Amino acid sequence: DQQVKQNSPSLSVQEGRISILNCDYTNSMFDYFLWYKKYPAEGPTFLISISSIKDKNEDGRFTVFLNKSAKHLSLHIVPSQPGDSAVYFCAASAPTSGTYKYIFGTGTRLKVLA
Amino acid sequence: EPEVTQTPSHQVTQMGQEVILRCVPISNHLYFYWYRQILGQKVEFLVSFYNNEISEKSEIFDDQFSVERPDGSNFTLKIRSTKLEDSAMYFCASSERGDLDPGYTFGSGTRLTVV
Repeated sequence: DQQVKQNSPSLSVQEGRISILNCDYTNSMFDYFLWYKKYPAEGPTFLISISSIKDKNEDGRFTVFLNKSAKHLSLHIVPSQPGDSAVYFCAASAPTSGTYKYIFGTGTRLKVLA
Repeated sequence: EPEVTQTPSHQVTQMGQEVILRCVPISNHLYFYWYRQILGQKVEFLVSFYNNEISEKSEIFDDQFSVERPDGSNFTLKIRSTKLEDSAMYFCASSERGDLDPGYTFGSGTRLTVV
């Protein structure tokens, strides 16, 4: 049951250009969405989040857009830098018993070319 | 910056053996989690733990799995009788507040290889 889908397993972008990573979800109960970045041999690192009451959240070079009607969110990185090369996971959550359990997508490997 | 520490980084075990994966969460965090990632697949929730008891567990977290906070700093995941399909990266995570945090802090993981 893939409640969170990242349909692009990989993406290559030239340095300085915009990277757009996409994520779709099926569960309308999800009310909180996050993006994590993961380097090899490290755990996922929190990047940016968005609540379902918003449609956009920006933090420096990173912007997350949420389209609730389409059950779609995207992460924009601009400008992309070689250090952004990593696997990006979209995650979603619905509040249960006071703790947030995250459902992760399968990840998109971003490669930023110098 | 505070870190979640996991040991060992890599463990190889024989099928049927018990393993204990160790985690030291961030000291003022109250909510603890285990996730796993089978190679090439997504990160999957196993269990959440708060106030010395399990808050929620997934269907993956069957009777072979248990978690414990044996003292004030460690949080452990035990697999009683490992199977080949338990081979995965196991990530521990912690958060200060379970319902308001924007995200967890993950450890760097323990790679478990069952042979």
